[in-house]
Amino acid sequence: GDSVTQMEGPVTLSEEAFLTINCTYTATGYPSLFWYVQYPGEGLQLLLKATKADDKGSNKGFEATYRKETTSFHLEKGSVQVSDSAVYFCALSDPNAGKSTFGDGTTLTVKP
Amino acid sequence: NAGVTQTPKFQVLKTGQSMTLQCAQDMNHNSMYWYRQDPGMGLRLIYYSASEGTTDKGEVPNGYNVSRLNKREFSLRLESAAPSQTSVYFCASRAWGRDYEQYFGPGTRLTVT
Repeated sequence: GDSVTQMEGPVTLSEEAFLTINCTYTATGYPSLFWYVQYPGEGLQLLLKATKADDKGSNKGFEATYRKETTSFHLEKGSVQVSDSAVYFCALSDPNAGKSTFGDGTTLTVKP
Repeated sequence: NAGVTQTPKFQVLKTGQSMTLQCAQDMNHNSMYWYRQDPGMGLRLIYYSASEGTTDKGEVPNGYNVSRLNKREFSLRLESAAPSQTSVYFCASRAWGRDYEQYFGPGTRLTVT
């Protein structure tokens, strides 16, 4: 079946540091890929997505590129802020069924 | 436009009690989902409904039942609650198609004593 593997956390960075959270996937079909963010006490919300190979999703300074050859969708941000502290989930959408597969989440803490 | 709403926000049950978690969406989405989130376990799919009139088991369906009441509403029932069902429960919805993201509700924090 489909699976998503995320870099284990927690990740702690200083403000303005560079962020990378690795995500790789296994899928039988040709999925769409997503990054979701969860702030404390809230549900998940979409951060960015990419629907085909070589697409780059971007939002709020975060970026991720759909790499079919390496089955990866790594999340990056050039300069993190304290307000970016949250849990980040990588996910894929199964093209043949009405459901998604999520990674285990990576907790990011940014210190001033 | 409220998005996805869930009730209640918090609930405490005793072992063996039953309850229904309610979920509604106002985005005319075809697909709806129930997840549970436990510390260090990420999100686990309990049940989903790809379209009105259909429901399917996810990876952890035991101890739960669901009803897709209509296109807007998807409820999750615990018939006989157990301490292992202590968790945060999230409902989500999505338009049909691989390119669309899921929209999540704010969650229900359930404690079973």
